[in-house]
Amino acid sequence: GEDVEQSLFLSVREGDSSVINCTYTDSSSTYLYWYKQEPGAGLQLLTYIFSNMDMKQDQRLTVLLNKKDKHLSLRIADTQTGDSAIYFCAESMPTGNQFYFGTGTSLTVIP
Amino acid sequence: KAGVTQTPRYLIKTRGQQVTLSCSPISGHRSVSWYQQTPGQGLQFLFEYFSETQRNKGNFPGRFSGRQFSNSRSEMNVSTLELGDSALYLCASSAGGAGWTNEKLFFGSGTQLSVL
Repeated sequence: GEDVEQSLFLSVREGDSSVINCTYTDSSSTYLYWYKQEPGAGLQLLTYIFSNMDMKQDQRLTVLLNKKDKHLSLRIADTQTGDSAIYFCAESMPTGNQFYFGTGTSLTVIP
Repeated sequence: KAGVTQTPRYLIKTRGQQVTLSCSPISGHRSVSWYQQTPGQGLQFLFEYFSETQRNKGNFPGRFSGRQFSNSRSEMNVSTLELGDSALYLCASSAGGAGWTNEKLFFGSGTQLSVL
């Protein structure tokens, strides 16, 4: 459960879609989450997906889960400058309340 | 509803000293987790407390310890500080019912610890 990987940086133009990817290793994870961290702040929960689902849509956010490949992605439609932040994926274990976070992807939105 | 409050916001210590960080969870939340965030390692899980008991523990040395009080407030202590302990320490609270698996964490803004 401790190896959760993300690419470090992503840069997109305002109005384009952003796709942030995450790979994890523990197939026993129950829920997978996306958190957002703005400068000087803690992490804020954006969305989550149960491990037996393959897609979840929440307004501009779409989460895709490929459990076979242990791959999670977050798509942000119509990316805005306010979306510039670090995005973390995280997986929770069946025991509950123990989370493993990815390394974080720093998203920069260019006006 | 007040969010998760961490104090102090910034702390500067020297090697060998000890430090205590404090976290007040969201009212009604019974679980408090602590994470260490560094640029190279990302977020590393330290430990989780529920009803004054440590329920989960990460892979950190015994110099890192914590406790939770009856009002769910939690403190984290680091003894014999090392340069590598410089990090942002984040506290997160959740409802934390035993056996729940979809726990939404609510994070504080963190304590930035610098060890000189």
